Amino acid sequence: GAVVSQHPSWVICKSGTSVKIECRSLDFQATTMFWYRQFPKQSLMLMATSNEGSKATYEQGVEKDKFLINHASLTLSTLTVTSAHPEDSSFYICSARDEGANYNEQFFGPGTRLTVL
Amino acid sequence: RKEVEQDPGPFNVPEGATVAFNCTYSNSASQSFFWYRQDCRKEPKLLMSVYSSGNEDGRFTAQLNRASQYISLLIRDSKLSDSATYLCVVTIPADSWGKLQFGAGTQVVVTP
Repeated sequence: GAVVSQHPSWVICKSGTSVKIECRSLDFQATTMFWYRQFPKQSLMLMATSNEGSKATYEQGVEKDKFLINHASLTLSTLTVTSAHPEDSSFYICSARDEGANYNEQFFGPGTRLTVL
Repeated sequence: RKEVEQDPGPFNVPEGATVAFNCTYSNSASQSFFWYRQDCRKEPKLLMSVYSSGNEDGRFTAQLNRASQYISLLIRDSKLSDSATYLCVVTIPADSWGKLQFGAGTQVVVTP
């Protein structure tokens, strides 16, 4: 089946630093990737839709200047959390849409757990 | 009102028993439906798609009721490994990117 990787799997950083998270589709090409955030005991919340070769589309309430997304190739999207603060601590998950599959199936990366001190 | 609503549970189920739970969605134009499973501190994994006619995958049966706008998941002969949070997921109508809407999940705990 389709495999999506994320790196790093966890990161601890000081307040004010920037953190880059990579999302890769390993065995398929993904024109579209999605970035989610999940706080404890809450649902996944879509942050943005990442489109290869164009600007990302952000959901309402998500600051595009704080969460920078780059989708430079058909297999890689990156999310950079700029000037991270403790309230940004969360579980960040990417997914990639396998456009060859039926029903808009998405495959998720293993997630990145970010802790900002 | 939330777009996708689920009973958070937990549903405490004895091993070997059957458990079923529903999910309601608010947009009647939604077209694709899924059940995902999420283990603690892990990513969601697709359990099964939900087809209009209902479908079965081993011990798991999913049903779709468009008139009442809900989908259901039934787990037969529960195993300890079925303990997880089950996420109801629907596609956002008319969204060309295939965005998904997630419910908050139903927690199932299978006990020995």
